[in-house]
Amino acid sequence: DTAVSQTPKYLVTQMGNDKSIKCEQNLGHDTMYWYKQDSKKFLKIMFSYNNKELIINETVPNRFSPKSPDKAHLNLHINSLELGDSAVYFCASSQGEVDNSPLHFGNGTRLTVT
Amino acid sequence: AQSVTQLDSQVPVFEEAPVELRCNYSSSVSVYLFWYVQYPNQGLQLLLKYLSGSTLVKGINGFEAEFNKSQTSFHLRKPSVHISDTAEYFCAVSGLGGNTGKLIFGQGTTLQVKP
Repeated sequence: DTAVSQTPKYLVTQMGNDKSIKCEQNLGHDTMYWYKQDSKKFLKIMFSYNNKELIINETVPNRFSPKSPDKAHLNLHINSLELGDSAVYFCASSQGEVDNSPLHFGNGTRLTVT
Repeated sequence: AQSVTQLDSQVPVFEEAPVELRCNYSSSVSVYLFWYVQYPNQGLQLLLKYLSGSTLVKGINGFEAEFNKSQTSFHLRKPSVHISDTAEYFCAVSGLGGNTGKLIFGQGTTLQVKP
């Protein structure tokens, strides 16, 4: 019954590797997001997709590439991982651009780059 | 552009005491305001939101917040806290008419409820 699920929960990898984080929502929402939470717990949006179309693309290195095969899934692929990529990555969803639609967050993926 | 400032990084309080978590925002346009809570090792969940209408907004778990346009504030309050309220609290803002998924978050306030 998990509304927004992310895998894996923990990801430990070495610098230079390529990794992916998967996200799925079963809420029927049109819009999905990736947020990054740094070590100081500061949250910042990275991307959003609406019906598989990229809507928001904040200033994020090109090494980060979101992919949305359908509106229920938004995966995040990261190339050439760097130490500074260590953070908790949250997937979220909402019902499009409706004003009163809150975000539903997954439980996060803690990425540690060594 | 919008920004959010949470004035306290940590708020320690004893169980059953009242608490106020402060949030100020800056924006050149009208905004929607939100409070989210993050329990340890979990994602964020919505506590309450202000979109329009009454400036006093009630949320889940006995929390409420008051929108004050003149002071550009949206402080969160609870009259009597429980140990289970220990968590990280985030104030967030989005521009009116914009995608409410593009939230600008404050730095977070850690609420520590002591027995």
